[in-house]
Amino acid sequence: SYVLTQSPSVSVAPGQTATITCGGNNIGRKRVSWCQQRPGQAPVLVIYDDRRRPSGIPERFSGSNSGNTATLTINRVEAGDEADYYCQVWDETNEHPVLGTGTKVTVL
Amino acid sequence: EVQLVQSGAEVKKPGDSLKISCKGFGYRFSSYWIGWVRQMPGKGLEWMGIIYAGDSETRYSPPFQGQVTISVDKSISTAYLQWTSLKAADTAMYYCAKFDYGDPFDLWGQGTLVTVSS
Repeated sequence: SYVLTQSPSVSVAPGQTATITCGGNNIGRKRVSWCQQRPGQAPVLVIYDDRRRPSGIPERFSGSNSGNTATLTINRVEAGDEADYYCQVWDETNEHPVLGTGTKVTVL
Repeated sequence: EVQLVQSGAEVKKPGDSLKISCKGFGYRFSSYWIGWVRQMPGKGLEWMGIIYAGDSETRYSPPFQGQVTISVDKSISTAYLQWTSLKAADTAMYYCAKFDYGDPFDLWGQGTLVTVSS
């Protein structure tokens, strides 16, 4: 089964840039999405199709995907961005979703 | 407004049965899939299974196959997750999420906290 691997944590100062990676075999050939889960809240989709943002998601959030790594970038980080972030893809072979292990973003 | 509304928190004893629900509003419920996701205390998201609301086609993640049952009643736009015999290890937050085939979870319910304790 397809596996997505994320680094457990990232720390970033306010106003700086947070970079969160998601590793998977040839993930560049898949469509990657990212969801944000703030403490005590349900997840919210922030990026889909590698780089598209749903309505209401700030432009500070961007995504890219190539080779074996997909990346979520948060520019000009704010305190409210402190959350867990999960990547997701669709496993076409087994026809089901795959969720990453999650990355905790801490705003210093 | 498009939303998924889940049933309320539950406190159960080991061996109890339980069925929690997820009701869709503001969209054509039968045209989409619903996924169930477990989040154990302090842990990440794990997909448990998915169901197509149109015809009840269901797939389970291997760790959850035989442990839970996912069902849907499209006439009332509601999906269900049920256990026949709960264990303490089932204590977790459970989320439902809507998606189109091949696409990501684009809308999540608010979650249902299930606590299993003697």
